[in-house]
Formats: sequence, C-alpha cells, structure tokens
Amino acid sequence: QVQLKESGPGLVQPSQTLSLTCTVSGFSLTSNSVHWVRQPPGKGLEWMGGIWGDGSTDYNSALKSRLSISRDTSKSQVFLKMNSLQTDDTAIYFCTRWLAYWGQGTLVTVSS
Amino acid sequence: DIQMTQSPASLSASLEEIVTITCQASQDIGNWLAWYQQKPGKSPQLLIYGATSLADGVPSRFSGSRSGTQYSLKISRLQVEDIGIYYCLQAYSAPLTFGSGTKLEIK
Repeated sequence: QVQLKESGPGLVQPSQTLSLTCTVSGFSLTSNSVHWVRQPPGKGLEWMGGIWGDGSTDYNSALKSRLSISRDTSKSQVFLKMNSLQTDDTAIYFCTRWLAYWGQGTLVTVSS
Repeated sequence: DIQMTQSPASLSASLEEIVTITCQASQDIGNWLAWYQQKPGKSPQLLIYGATSLADGVPSRFSGSRSGTQYSLKISRLQVEDIGIYYCLQAYSAPLTFGSGTKLEIK
C-alpha cells in the first residue's frame, strides 16, 4: 500500500540548513508527484513545493529563494533542503503523494 | 498567486445539523479544488477532490459543490467524529494554495 515517511533532525539552529527525507513505498516516483507541506504549531497548512513525475519542480513563491526539492528514484526518496532557517520555520513538515496520501509528519524546531 | 478565501473561520453546530464551509478562489480554477479534514495531531485527510468527487472511504454525508469560483463543502448530518479543522486547496496552478481553515466544533 502507499506509504510515506518523513525523517530528519528535530532541531535546527537558526541560519542553518534543514534537510529532510521522504521515503516512499507502494508507488513509483516517476509517475507520481510528491509535495512538501508544512504547518507551524497551531496554524494552517502551507504548500512548500513539489516534484512531479518527470522530475520538474515547483515552489512556493515566498520560499523559492531558499528551498530545493530533489529525488533519488532508485531509493524511492524525495529530499527537501531549505537554507537560512529562522524561528518562524518551526513547523510540522509533511510529505504527500498528489496531496492525497500523507506521511505522519515530522516536527522541526528552529532554536539555538 | 491564486488566493483562496475560506469562511467561516470557526463554526459551532449541533449534531445532525447541516454544515456548509465555503472557499472563494481569486480566479478561475475549474474543478481543481480539494477539501481536507484534519484532526489534532494527525495528518490532513482528503475528503473531496475535483470539487465534487468523494475520496475513498469518506462518508456520503460529505459532499462538494461549485458555483463559478465559489466552492462549498457540505456535511449533511453532523456527527461527533466530524469535529476538526477543514481546509480547501486549489491545485489548478503552482504555487498551490490552501484556504486558511475552518474549525468545526459541536454545540
């Protein structure tokens, strides 16, 4: 069945780079899109960006300058890298296939 | 970017009542509209896609409709398990955008 699981550091220092991995199973990355969505504590959902089946990417306009999404199809993994983190980047980060199937999310706290 | 204006921000309704949540798109998005339910501590769950299609396993008391650029989610007979926060999402063009959410409570 379709599964997605996010992994990465729970704590990141301000100004540092966040690296997250989404490991998927039950579907092919070459024929499905995977997106990253985040949710600050107590707030709403924000689409960050996605990588499409053909490998092309789209990003949230507000994050585009510091965000990168890539993948390794041989490992069924999608990666998120975001630099220059600040405290307001503290959030639960979700990966999702087609925004229909979602991982459980991973909490990232930005703090010194 | 396409803006999604969702209302109301919060809603309190009685069991068995009909509940309606709306999202107004800032431009034409066709039927590229989805609705999600999120419960505390959980990932969002897809309820409706294509503006009107019910996702697998979602109770038939949920329905979606469209009138121009206004989209609605209706719960026909509110149940206790329907409490949570509801979001709309436009998937017509990147960047994809969510509505601000509607918190649904039982009166």
